[in-house]
Amino acid sequence: GNSVTQMEGPVTLSEEAFLTINCTYTATGYPSLFWYVQYPGEGLQLLLKATKADDKGSNKGFEATYRKETTSFHLEKGSVQVSDSAVYFCALSEAGTASKLTFGTGTRLQVTL
Amino acid sequence: GAGVSQSPSNKVTEKGKDVELRCDPISGHTALYWYRQRLGQGLEFLIYFQGNSAPDKSGLPSDRFSAERTGESVSTLTIQRTQQEDSAVYLCASRRGWGETQYFGPGTRLLVL
Repeated sequence: GNSVTQMEGPVTLSEEAFLTINCTYTATGYPSLFWYVQYPGEGLQLLLKATKADDKGSNKGFEATYRKETTSFHLEKGSVQVSDSAVYFCALSEAGTASKLTFGTGTRLQVTL
Repeated sequence: GAGVSQSPSNKVTEKGKDVELRCDPISGHTALYWYRQRLGQGLEFLIYFQGNSAPDKSGLPSDRFSAERTGESVSTLTIQRTQQEDSAVYLCASRRGWGETQYFGPGTRLLVL
């Protein structure tokens, strides 16, 4: 079956530091890949997505590139802010599954001044 | 416009009791999903509705779990004879059409004592 593995947190960074959150996946077909974010006290929100190999999703300064050869979709940001503190979830959906999502366990990011 | 809403936001119940969790999707969204997140784990898919029918119930963990959707709108997830392992955050999501983004509600936090 499908699965998503992401690095465990918490990740603690100083403001303006570089962020990488690793995500790898296992899927039988050609999935679409997503990063969702959950800010404190709020619901899950889509951060970015990529639907085919070599696509790069980007939003709010975050980027992730769909790497089929390494089955990875690592999330990066060049300079984090305190307001980026949240839990980040990597997820996939496979064609023909009506877009149901398979999630990783989430990575908590804490950014300090 | 209004997002996905869920009620109650928190529910504490005793083992063996039945509970009903409600989801109000975004108006006009034909697809609706239920997920749950147990402590320290990723979100698990439970069930998917397209309109009022449920073509994918593969994630329901046991026959104590059931869900229905009426009028292509509200959905209710029912857990009968609750067990402590049912304690989790139950999340609902909806989307408008194929390939479109799933929007998540704030979740219902269920605690079974």
